[in-house]
Amino acid sequence: DAGITQSPRYKITETGRQVTLMCHQTWSHSYMFWYRQDLGHGLRLIYYSAAADITDKGEVPDGYVVSRSKTENFPLTLESATRSQTSVYFCASTPTGGLYEQYFGPGTRLTVT
Amino acid sequence: QQPVQSPQAVILREGEDAVINCSSSKALYSVHWYRQKHGEAPVFLMILLKGGEQKGHEKISASFNEKKQQSSLYLTASQLSYSGTYFCGTGAGNMLTFGGGTRLMVKP
Repeated sequence: DAGITQSPRYKITETGRQVTLMCHQTWSHSYMFWYRQDLGHGLRLIYYSAAADITDKGEVPDGYVVSRSKTENFPLTLESATRSQTSVYFCASTPTGGLYEQYFGPGTRLTVT
Repeated sequence: QQPVQSPQAVILREGEDAVINCSSSKALYSVHWYRQKHGEAPVFLMILLKGGEQKGHEKISASFNEKKQQSSLYLTASQLSYSGTYFCGTGAGNMLTFGGGTRLMVKP
């Protein structure tokens, strides 16, 4: 399917477990982003990537790891999930950086018990 | 630092106008506006760039005051479909910092 997709859409995991959220885009956009959305905080940037093998921290990177070996994929890993990481996670992409429209995926609702 | 949006919530009757404000303590180079409906992903509305002109999208327009470090989103003759949460995002390099959102509800 064309566009930007995320998987899984819903995930329940236990504290301390490793979880990987997947993001895939078919546009060959250079930039990809991971945000978390919590009530009262809007969208907060976790990590972003300007190209394959280039990643950088956002506002709230602690507890998260990213990689980008291929342009189209940008997985987000929670190495040891905590309850504070319960959130809705959105992946987004854009062709050429922060001055252009970002296209958001449908989101992954993660619950850490 | 997160931009501040006001009001936090607004209720309108169909056909009424609304203004949503976005203020930053930092110098603004670009302001993005997105709308998010409940349970869905944010959707892009418009971008305003420093030195750029006011942008419009149907009956939704926005302004960008660089000196005051703020942007305003204007919704004219609101429709039921305008309901949702509106976010402004301020650009710095390749990152966007989003405000906390303004929840807009349009009633018949």
